[in-house]
Amino acid sequence: EVQLVESGGGLVKPGGSLRLSCAASGFTFSNPWMTWVRQAPGKGLEWVGRIKSKTDGGTTDYAAPVKGRFTISRDDSKNTLYLQMNSLKTEDTAVYYCATGGNNLNYWGQGTLVTVSS
Amino acid sequence: DIVMTQSPDSLAVSLGERATINCKSSQSVLYSSNKKNYLAWYQQKPGQPPKLLIYWASTRESWVPDRFSGSGSGTDFTLTISSLQAEDVAVYYCQQCYSTPHTFGQGTKLEIK
Repeated sequence: EVQLVESGGGLVKPGGSLRLSCAASGFTFSNPWMTWVRQAPGKGLEWVGRIKSKTDGGTTDYAAPVKGRFTISRDDSKNTLYLQMNSLKTEDTAVYYCATGGNNLNYWGQGTLVTVSS
Repeated sequence: DIVMTQSPDSLAVSLGERATINCKSSQSVLYSSNKKNYLAWYQQKPGQPPKLLIYWASTRESWVPDRFSGSGSGTDFTLTISSLQAEDVAVYYCQQCYSTPHTFGQGTKLEIK
């Protein structure tokens, strides 16, 4: 059974940093591209970015609001996806989901809440 | 960026009746080389993460009942539920994965009338 478990969320002040993790199990983690999506409280879904598999180059793409501040990485030896978030803004407050796939998002974690507030 | 616009924003339909949700992209999401529309639909129930419902505009995921169907091509797409069941109450999102950023529509909230 595919499982994705996000962790690392919490309360952080504006300008601060946070690193989210997404622990994967139930599939060969190194194969799929992986994506982060966020959802502000009571709002819709927002694509954050994706990382390709190492086989496909391991490169990343980001949405404009997070480019230059967020970094997606993966450690295939630990079956874990990361989202390093720097220079956080209040508008980054959201539930952050990891998902398998670089296009169609087949499986999703339950999400982890990030609150940016002073 | 490709802008995805769904209509309506909310919809109330009686049990057993048809529900139709529309999604329009600001540019075509049809990839000419493979003739696939890079358009997916997701279902999100309260307190849960989204679930992939339909991809390539019309291909159902294995868990999806056949009362759900997707149609359309290019820039105009439709999600249809042929006979609404109580468990279909959710917010539905379309998403294009033709070019990054893979933008979502704003969502359509489906309720029982």
